[in-house]
Formats: sequence, C-alpha cells, structure tokens
Amino acid sequence: NAGVMQNPRHLVRRRGQEARLRCSPMKGHSHVYWYRQLPEEGLKFMVYLQKENIIDESGMPKERFSAEFPKEGPSILRIQQVVRGDSAAYFCASSPRLAGGGLGEQYFGPGTRLTVT
Amino acid sequence: DQQVKQNSPSLSVQEGRISILNCDYTNSMFDYFLWYKKYPAEGPTFLISISSIKDKNEDGRFTVFLNKSAKHLSLHIVPSQPGDSAVYFCAASGGGNKLVFGAGTILRVKS
Repeated sequence: NAGVMQNPRHLVRRRGQEARLRCSPMKGHSHVYWYRQLPEEGLKFMVYLQKENIIDESGMPKERFSAEFPKEGPSILRIQQVVRGDSAAYFCASSPRLAGGGLGEQYFGPGTRLTVT
Repeated sequence: DQQVKQNSPSLSVQEGRISILNCDYTNSMFDYFLWYKKYPAEGPTFLISISSIKDKNEDGRFTVFLNKSAKHLSLHIVPSQPGDSAVYFCAASGGGNKLVFGAGTILRVKS
C-alpha cells in the first residue's frame, strides 16, 4: 500500500540547467497537486492536475515552469533554466475522487529538495 | 498577502499537558480547514479536518475547534507526547481544491 512517491529526493542543478521532478500518486488517486516550500515558509500551491488535464495552474510562475500528468506514468514538474531562487522543497500530493463526487484529503509525498548552485 | 496565519513560530509543552496551536484566516470564502503534521525531511501528514458547518471535530487525542465569526481555529492535543514534536501546519480551502497553508508552528513536547 505505497503512498505518494516522489523522485528524486534530492536534486542538485547548476544555474541554467533543467530540473525534472516526478510524482506517482497513491493507487486509485487521479488528482495530483504540486506545492513549493521555501525556507521558513509554509507550502505554496503551484498546480492541480488530473490525468491529461491541468485544472488549476494559478500558482505556477508564468515562465520556465510547466507540469503534466500523462495518461500513463507519473506527474512531472519541469523547471527550465533554473535560478538560485528555485531552490526549495517541492511536494506532490494526491487525492481520490469520492463516491459523492467530491475530493478526498490530500496525501503528500516526501518531497524533492532542489538545490541550484 | 497571508490568508492563513500561524502567529506562534514555536510552542514548548510538558509531556502529558495540553498543546494548543492556533491559526487565523482572512478569506471568508474558506469552508474547509485542515491540520497537517510534518517531520524534517518528510512530507506533511494529514491529521484532522473540519468543515465550516461544524465548530468542533475530534479524533482521539486531537480536537480542532473552529470559530467562524473570529476566523480562528485551533488544534488541541491532549495529552501531549514526545512523539508529537513536529511542525504543525494549518491549511484552508474554499470552493476549489488548492490548499492555502500557514507558515507552521514548531511544537516541542518535553519529557
């Protein structure tokens, strides 16, 4: 009964490189969320996806960041041309669709700690 | 613009006593509130939630109280145990799926 899986757990990139963060939701969950946590701050919502659809990307920076959740495989958060300010912990969460149509609680993965040097 | 505020960065409590963590919010559209617990190098773990139609929800040692008129909620842990030492995040949502988190409160339970 695996929980939300994220890899890699730690990622080091030089400025200008690309970072790819992966998230596999819990079994049976079709809704994925990405959050970012900067040091000494709470988690900030970035994007909410269902399979093959972006539902809400209001928290995503306008440039360099993109996310996808393909029909097969994990959700990917992609950061192009990383800068030092992108250094943070990135958390993925998933939730199930409930019988009544609403969404269940969000369960979080262990996070990916991105360091940009 | 901090819509969810946890004004106490840290709290220290003796084992066996009650821990009270507080959270204030500003957005009247929030209708669902949650508490998460987080250990270092791990993701947040869901603890307990409350809908705006209730003013109290209890689960074992954890109770959440909601005061809508004051836009305030609190998490009570009783009795506190050393294993409860962690960062506690208050979160809220309203009409959508994204959670808005507070900055967290570090709880230390001394044995």
